[in-house]
Amino acid sequence: AQTVTQSQPEMSVQEAETVTLSCTYDTSESDYYLFWYKQPPSRQMILVIRQEAYKQQNATENRFSVNFQKAAKSFSLKISDSQLGDAAMYFCAYRSARRNDMRFGAGTRLTVKP
Amino acid sequence: DTGVSQNPRHKITKRGQNVTFRCDPISEHNRLYWYRQTLGQGPEFLTYFQNEAQLEKSRLLSDRFSAERPKGSFSTLEIQRTEQGDSAMYLCASSLGSGSGDEQYFGPGTRLTVT
Repeated sequence: AQTVTQSQPEMSVQEAETVTLSCTYDTSESDYYLFWYKQPPSRQMILVIRQEAYKQQNATENRFSVNFQKAAKSFSLKISDSQLGDAAMYFCAYRSARRNDMRFGAGTRLTVKP
Repeated sequence: DTGVSQNPRHKITKRGQNVTFRCDPISEHNRLYWYRQTLGQGPEFLTYFQNEAQLEKSRLLSDRFSAERPKGSFSTLEIQRTEQGDSAMYLCASSLGSGSGDEQYFGPGTRLTVT
């Protein structure tokens, strides 16, 4: 079974600094998708960034980028120039290309200090 | 607002009662998902619909749980004979696409408390 592990329950970063959130996953499949979702306090979960496993190039979305290491089964999220609005729970998620269930990690709570 | 909506937002019920939640997806989205999220954990997949067809169910979805999506529009999730372990946030998400990389849009959730 595929599992997603986020080893950092909490992280904090100074405003304008850079922070990296870690995620590892376990799978025997070669075709899958990886996602980072953000869940602000009392607000809906939104997609931050996604990565197709068959693409070697790391995905980027403005201040958000990933370091995808397929062999190591690692998928970290880097947030540059952190802003107060980045404070939230961040969930790493895995989805097989053959199935429709998405597996989430336990999340990392990010605090941004002014 | 044309996002995913869920009702009710909060539900308190006594053990043994039945509850039903509703999800209204984004109108053109053909895919709909239900998840359960307990405190301090990430969402756990429950079930998936493509249009009106329920194509995938998690083993977490015991026979006390049933979900429907009549006419491929809104969906309902019913829990019969609720137990205290059913207390959680129930999230609905929808997406438009045919592959596995499509973005899922989440609703605000229904928080269930079983006393």
